[in-house]
Order: sequence, then structure tokens, then C-alpha cells
Amino acid sequence: RKEVEQDPGPFNVPEGATVAFNCTYSNSASQSFFWYRQDCRKEPKLLMSVYSSGNEDGRFTAQLNRASQYISLLIRDSKLSDSATYLCVVNLGSNYKLTFGKGTLLTVNP
Amino acid sequence: DAGITQSPRHKVTETGTPVTLRCHQTENHRYMYWYRQDPGHGLRLIHYSYGVKDTDKGEVSDGYSVSRSKTEDFLLTLESATSSQTSVYFCAINGDPNTEAFFGQGTRLTVV
Repeated sequence: RKEVEQDPGPFNVPEGATVAFNCTYSNSASQSFFWYRQDCRKEPKLLMSVYSSGNEDGRFTAQLNRASQYISLLIRDSKLSDSATYLCVVNLGSNYKLTFGKGTLLTVNP
Repeated sequence: DAGITQSPRHKVTETGTPVTLRCHQTENHRYMYWYRQDPGHGLRLIHYSYGVKDTDKGEVSDGYSVSRSKTEDFLLTLESATSSQTSVYFCAINGDPNTEAFFGQGTRLTVV
């Protein structure tokens, strides 16, 4: 099993659609989880942290399922500006290292 | 935005030449990281530092060395650049490995 695995997509959705991304991780001792967003030819930036209880920030909802070792990101009412690559990031508990998934490319179409 | 800058932002170099990339931070964060990003591979950790003069290897460290002589600077050196090291290099920092990492704007390195 890969350490952090995401569906690479691409996802092409119309404006206003709801889209969900999933990410699985290999180490049950992992302690921290994040979703990052990366625009073309730019650096990754934090979208949101993922907490055990789940968390929501406007149109974005992140969930963690420790038993099944996956995290998810739900984007409601997609905007053109949501077009980007979404990176799942996990601290696998093996000393200081944040491990990145390969990213999922989302394109929101008018 | 976090105070983190990378230099140079773009570089073209010839195979076999040494190259040093610099990451500079003004946040006084303890942890610093060098990643490379390639199509189909995502971000892969090259080396990281957990304090001054404390560094360790990541998953793709072969052909790279690092140094951290002071908190604010983390240098990545390609001793003898190869075409396989053509990539985008990102530096990242955080104050705790379980917290958000902030990234520099990246260095596009081309080895010809």
C-alpha cells in the first residue's frame, strides 16, 4: 500500500457541482492531516487541516476516518476559481515528515 | 504570507556542474524541508532539517546534500547535476512537524 494515495483524476465538473476527493494513508499511527491546494506553477498552500471530528470552512468540508485510514474533502457549489490540484498531506508519524499524495486535478467548467 | 524565499527562482545549468539552491526564512521555524516536484510523482522529500546542523535524508536524497549552519538558511546542493535532477524544487518550513508547512515559491532547475 502506498503511503499516501489519492485518485489522480482529473475531475471535470460544471460550476455549482459538488465534488469529493478521497485519500488513503498507510500508517495507522499518523497524527496530522491536511488538504493543500496548488495552482498551476505555484507553490502548495494550506486549504484546511483535518480534525478527528471533521471540520467545515464555507463550501469545504474535511473528514477523517481513522478506522479505514482515509480522509476526504468535499467541495460544494464549485466555482471556477476552485480549479486547481488538491493535495492530501499526512504526517505519517515517522519523524518530522509530511508526506504528500500525488494530487488530484480539478477543473471547474462554466 | 510566511517569510520564506528561495533563490534562484530559475536556473539552467550544464550536466556535471555543481548547483546550490538557497532557502531563507524569517519565521525562526525549527523545521525546514526540501522537496522536488515532478509530473506523475508529486512532491517528494529530498532532505529535511530539525535544527541547526541537524539534517536527515528523505526518500529521494541520492545526488543531493544539504547544510544548515544557521536557523534561517537551508541550502540544497547538487554536487554534479544530472538531467534527471531537472525539476521544480520547493522549500518548506514549519514550527512543528504536526502543523501546517509553508512553502517557498519554488526554483525551476533545468539541467542540460
